[in-house]
Amino acid sequence: QSVLTQPPSVSAAPGQKVTISCSGSSSNIGNNYVSWYQQLPGTAPKLLIYDNNKRPSGIPDRFSGSKSGTSATLGITGLQTGDEADYYCGTWDSSLSADVVFGGGTKLTVL
Amino acid sequence: QITLKESGPTLVKPTQTLTLTCTFSGFSLSTSGVGVGWIRQPPGKALEWLALIYWDDDKRYSPSLKSRLTITKDTSKNQVVLTMTNMDPVDTATYYCAHSPAYSFDAFDIWGQGTMVTVSS
Repeated sequence: QSVLTQPPSVSAAPGQKVTISCSGSSSNIGNNYVSWYQQLPGTAPKLLIYDNNKRPSGIPDRFSGSKSGTSATLGITGLQTGDEADYYCGTWDSSLSADVVFGGGTKLTVL
Repeated sequence: QITLKESGPTLVKPTQTLTLTCTFSGFSLSTSGVGVGWIRQPPGKALEWLALIYWDDDKRYSPSLKSRLTITKDTSKNQVVLTMTNMDPVDTATYYCAHSPAYSFDAFDIWGQGTMVTVSS
């Protein structure tokens, strides 16, 4: 059971937009930055978004992040078949002992 | 260019201790703000953070696994070592090490390819 809650799956057609939610609490998302990772099949995760809404160099602006209260959202526009992957949110949790927590992951299917 | 690579046994027996080494290049673990973390992923399951060590030797552990984990660094060798005691079949997973950049202490911007560890007698 992950500390951060994500929908197990989302789907959309090529060219469309999709959003993936990540719900937490005041001890994690509510008071810390959120990161998002993309994991293509059989590969290591790749950082897409850090500090809620910043993109590392090389990440296209089709990917965006936002945060409101204890929830965060990853948006992907202009969907491509190559975007089909698992997506994870992550953040710091400062409850009992500060540590990193991840969501359970969301499988994106591009129909 | 930052790279990381995990190494260690592919098969361990229950109750044994697992030792994994992360060898990296392209950065120094003595640079302020930088860290290296370990994350694992059981087959078909989600990512699970394990441990993180920072440039100043600050160490953080997953609360649920803290009693079994030890993370250390050898700055001169550009290596981070993770040990996990009392291995169990549920610990079967791909183990990743990843770079935590100074600009975002809770994000992992570069990941190793991962190493699959199976726990079985």
